[in-house]
Amino acid sequence: GENVEQHPSTLSVQEGDSAVIKCTYSDSASNYFPWYKQELGKRPQLIIDIRSNVGEKKDQRIAVTLNKTAKHFSLHITETQPEDSAVYFCAARFSGGYNKLIFGAGTRLAVHP
Amino acid sequence: DSGVTQTPKHLITATGQRVTLRCSPRSGDLSVYWYQQSLDQGLQFLIQYYNGEERAKGNILERFSAQQFPDLHSELNLSSLELGDSALYFCASSVSSGRSRETQYFGPGTRLLVL
Repeated sequence: GENVEQHPSTLSVQEGDSAVIKCTYSDSASNYFPWYKQELGKRPQLIIDIRSNVGEKKDQRIAVTLNKTAKHFSLHITETQPEDSAVYFCAARFSGGYNKLIFGAGTRLAVHP
Repeated sequence: DSGVTQTPKHLITATGQRVTLRCSPRSGDLSVYWYQQSLDQGLQFLIQYYNGEERAKGNILERFSAQQFPDLHSELNLSSLELGDSALYFCASSVSSGRSRETQYFGPGTRLLVL
């Protein structure tokens, strides 16, 4: 079935450290993997995405890597700052479902000053 | 601001009642998606519409229904409400039906509380 697993569920780091969140997906035909950041009580906002034809994408302190063979992708945040504290969701676009996204359960990231 | 609007922001109602949530997509977007987010939970896909037609269904209860109107706004109708329906309901929109790999932009959500 359609499933995205996300780990860890909570992550606590010191300011300046790196944070890594990992996701695995079930549909080998999935071809689009966005990451959303959701602050408390706010809307999910896209922070980075990756298409299946590339293995890595970077945007300043944020990077995403994709391993299609293993069906997993990861979010890397370097030099974390307190404002990075939020819930992060990975998602995968499943084949045959138009633009239907299945989301992971989320990772609550806390960055301590 | 994503350009997606949702009304109302908050809704408090009683069990057994019916409510309607409204969403207006970004200008030019033809697809609308509805998601449910319960307390401390992830985003559960409910349903997708494209240019007035239903395109994909997720874990949407039979008590829930949706439609997309000719002006592309969408409404999610929740009936016979139960306590467990209390959640944040998000609408998202994208340019087309999703044949390509498109970004979904989320609205601010409607917080529903069923008492």
